[in-house]
Amino acid sequence: QVQLVESGGGVVQPGGSLRVSCAASGFRFSSYGMNWVRQSPGKGLEWVASIHYAGKIKYYADSVKGRITISRDNSKNTLYLEMNSLRAEDTAVYYCVRLELRRGAFDIWGQGTMVTVSS
Amino acid sequence: EIQMTQSPSSLSASVGDSVTISCRASQSISTYLNWYQQKPGKAPNLLLYAASTLESGVPSRFSGSGSGTDFTLTISSLQPEDSATYYCQQSYTTPQTFGQGTKVEIK
Repeated sequence: QVQLVESGGGVVQPGGSLRVSCAASGFRFSSYGMNWVRQSPGKGLEWVASIHYAGKIKYYADSVKGRITISRDNSKNTLYLEMNSLRAEDTAVYYCVRLELRRGAFDIWGQGTMVTVSS
Repeated sequence: EIQMTQSPSSLSASVGDSVTISCRASQSISTYLNWYQQKPGKAPNLLLYAASTLESGVPSRFSGSGSGTDFTLTISSLQPEDSATYYCQQSYTTPQTFGQGTKVEIK
């Protein structure tokens, strides 16, 4: 079945780095734009970053620009989010999300991985 | 950046009631508006896209309407399993912004 499974979350100190991954299965990963959306504890949803199906075009939220890099390896059906210079306000559940272009909507979500920035 | 404003922030209704959630965009987004349902501890789930098209598998008691800047999500006969937080999202332009959410509780 169509599935996205995130991994790599954890506790990191302020100023530290972390890479989270998302393994896709059940669909042609290389045909879809992918996104990361985060949710701070008890808060709403915030789009973080997106990447073109071939990886050539990337967009970032202003709140993470310059500190976060989205990338993908279509040969491994895997999406990545490299996070540097982490701040307390980056603490959140990070969801890997598929964009269904024809519908213009985020149609498949992973279960999320928790990133906690704390000393 | 397009701001999305939902109202109310929360509501409480009885099983069988009809409930309506509003979503307003800070500028016209045509019908590039999606609705998601999120239950506690779970990832969001797509309910409707393009303002009024029901996602496959979503019960027909959910419906959406609107265009331009004003949109609504209606649950025609509220069921216990509809207790959740609902988010609107504009997909007109990047960043694809979300509303702040509306928490629906069952009395």
